[in-house]
Amino acid sequence: GAGVSQSPSNKVTEKGKDVELRCDPISGHTALYWYRQSLGQGLEFLIYFQGNSAPDKSGLPSDRFSAERTGGSVSTLTIQRTQQEDSAVYLCASSLADYYEQYFGPGTRLTVT
Amino acid sequence: GNSVTQMEGPVTLSEEAFLTINCTYTATGYPSLFWYVQYPGEGLQLLLKATKADDKGSNKGFEATYRKETTSFHLEKGSVQVSDSAVYFCALSGQAGTALIFGKGTTLSVSS
Repeated sequence: GAGVSQSPSNKVTEKGKDVELRCDPISGHTALYWYRQSLGQGLEFLIYFQGNSAPDKSGLPSDRFSAERTGGSVSTLTIQRTQQEDSAVYLCASSLADYYEQYFGPGTRLTVT
Repeated sequence: GNSVTQMEGPVTLSEEAFLTINCTYTATGYPSLFWYVQYPGEGLQLLLKATKADDKGSNKGFEATYRKETTSFHLEKGSVQVSDSAVYFCALSGQAGTALIFGKGTTLSVSS
């Protein structure tokens, strides 16, 4: 079946602009996660959604970052007023509520110039 | 808090050599442990997992055993191939549905 998909695959933006990154999880997966992969910091957790519960936002690095999940499916990660240090690969993953396996999408490579 | 430490790379091996990538963890309770692999230009893929002490995860010739007494989950393969060249990440999860905590990754390069 279809895996996790993300769009766009690459995004180049100017410093100070806002960007939106999209994630389509595997159908039926109720948990959705965003991570960031950068050279200096490795893989960092950003935010996760579990069913209808309030999201765990504890990994968001600043209030410029936000995310929403509509209808328990698609999620959008928004970065406002982008900075150069936001350049990274943003990964989305999903899992069934009671299972540990997280399945990752291919990522969105964000470059802030 | 929970954390994962894995050996720094790069690890460079010849084809058919034995591979060990060390991974140790710090966690409260009984976490689940994972190895993920990232091939060049691709996303993260789950390689293997273990959910309780003494469990052995295995896949594609790779193995790792959950050792609670040494808080370790070392990845091994008896005979590596060029196609195994990738970045390997050790990770843990405190419970189902929570975020994974990753090690910094180990780059493996296998030459023929």
